[in-house]
Amino acid sequence: KAGVTQTPRYLIKTRGQQVTLSCSPISGHRSVSWYQQTPGQGLQFLFEYFSETQRNKGNFPGRFSGRQFSNSRSEMNVSTLELGDSALYLCASSLPATNTEAFFGQGTRLTVV
Amino acid sequence: GENVEQHPSTLSVQEGDSAVIKCTYSDSASNYFPWYKQELGKRPQLIIDIRSNVGEKKDQRIAVTLNKTAKHFSLHITETQPEDSAVYFCAASKSQGNQFYFGTGTSLTVIP
Repeated sequence: KAGVTQTPRYLIKTRGQQVTLSCSPISGHRSVSWYQQTPGQGLQFLFEYFSETQRNKGNFPGRFSGRQFSNSRSEMNVSTLELGDSALYLCASSLPATNTEAFFGQGTRLTVV
Repeated sequence: GENVEQHPSTLSVQEGDSAVIKCTYSDSASNYFPWYKQELGKRPQLIIDIRSNVGEKKDQRIAVTLNKTAKHFSLHITETQPEDSAVYFCAASKSQGNQFYFGTGTSLTVIP
């Protein structure tokens, strides 16, 4: 069974640009969540999508958005990039039930210069 | 929202000793508490979890305890081995999907 796949693995962007990250969940997983990981801050929840609908949202500005497609693949978009957006962005997929194990992807390392 | 605090931030133990990591949470509605292990350069992976209707759970050398009244839960690793060296994250969640609030992590080093 293939794991969670995130693309690209690395990105370098300039301040003010926008970026789109992609996540393909494990087959059969309809819940996809996104987290931002930075040193000292741990993992901070961005949002969760389930059946193409945003089910939960964290405390991030509106520049961070996402969507989910009918095949459960998800994308995350960050507009007007700031230096502070540099981080590892992790996607996790779970079975449809709540409070189940989150399977993480390898992450996308975003560097904003 | 939920706030999860984790201590210590770094922990060094001799091989064979025990390691304990503690977390507290603020929202009494949280009812699911997983622990993730993240080795350097790798993705976080679930090592054990506990639900609010259980006080303790054990899996070989790893155990987790939960005190709902005090709103804290702990990870216990016995007979530590060098391969246990990693960053450990605790998390808390309510029954509203798969939204996890993570602690800031504990970097565990097991000295051979």
